[in-house]
Amino acid sequence: AQSVSQHNHHVILSEAASLELGCNYSYGGTVNLFWYVQYPGQHLQLLLKYFSGDPLVKGIKGFEAEFIKSKFSFNLRKPSVQWSDTAEYFCAVNAHSGGYNKLIFGAGTRLAVHP
Amino acid sequence: DAMVIQNPRYQVTQFGKPVTLSCSQTLNHNVMYWYQQKSSQAPKLLFHYYDKDFNNEADTPDNFQSRRPNTSFCFLDIRSPGLGDAAMYLCATSRGRPTTGYEQYFGPGTRLTVT
Repeated sequence: AQSVSQHNHHVILSEAASLELGCNYSYGGTVNLFWYVQYPGQHLQLLLKYFSGDPLVKGIKGFEAEFIKSKFSFNLRKPSVQWSDTAEYFCAVNAHSGGYNKLIFGAGTRLAVHP
Repeated sequence: DAMVIQNPRYQVTQFGKPVTLSCSQTLNHNVMYWYQQKSSQAPKLLFHYYDKDFNNEADTPDNFQSRRPNTSFCFLDIRSPGLGDAAMYLCATSRGRPTTGYEQYFGPGTRLTVT
C-alpha cells in the first residue's frame, strides 16, 4: 500500500535558522507531490507542488522542495525561517489507486519557530 | 474570494445521535472529498464525489454516508456517532477528474465532539 513518511514530528527552530523537513513515499508509479501547511486555527493550504519537469520546485513564502525520484523523497526546505512559519506541515502524494487518484498524507510535522 | 466553506466549525453530538456536517464551494470544482483527521494524525480519506459519482474508500465504516445534491454542496452524515468518531472532518475540492491528480483545496474543517 502507498504510504508517506515524515521523519520529524516536532521541530523547534530559532528565527533565521534553516529548515529541512523530510518526506519519503512508497509508490512505484507516477506521482504528484505536495506540501500543505496548516497555520494555527486555519485550514490546510497548498505550499507547493510537483507534477513533472524541474525537480526543484519553488512555493510560496520562500519555501522550496526537491523531488529525488531515486530516493522516493520530496524534502521541504527554507533557508531562513520566520516566527510566522510556525505551523504544521504535511507532505502528500497523489497516487493512482483503484481507478482514481488518491491523496495520501504523511502524519505531519509541527514546526515551532522562536523569535 | 472563491473558497470551501464548512459549517458548523464545531459540532457537539450525543453518542448514537445522527449528525450532518455540511460543505459548500464556490470554486465550481467537479470533485469533492471528505477526510477524517484525528489528533496528531494524517487526514484520512473517507470518500469522494466526481460530479454525482460516489466513491467510498474500502475501509470507511458504513456509519458514514454522504450526499451531494448539486455541484456546490456536499454533506457528511454520521448515522450513529460513536466516541471513536470524534475528530476533525475536512472537506476538500479539486478540479478536473479524480484521475488527474490536481491539488486539493481544503475547507477549515468541522471539529466533532461526541458526548
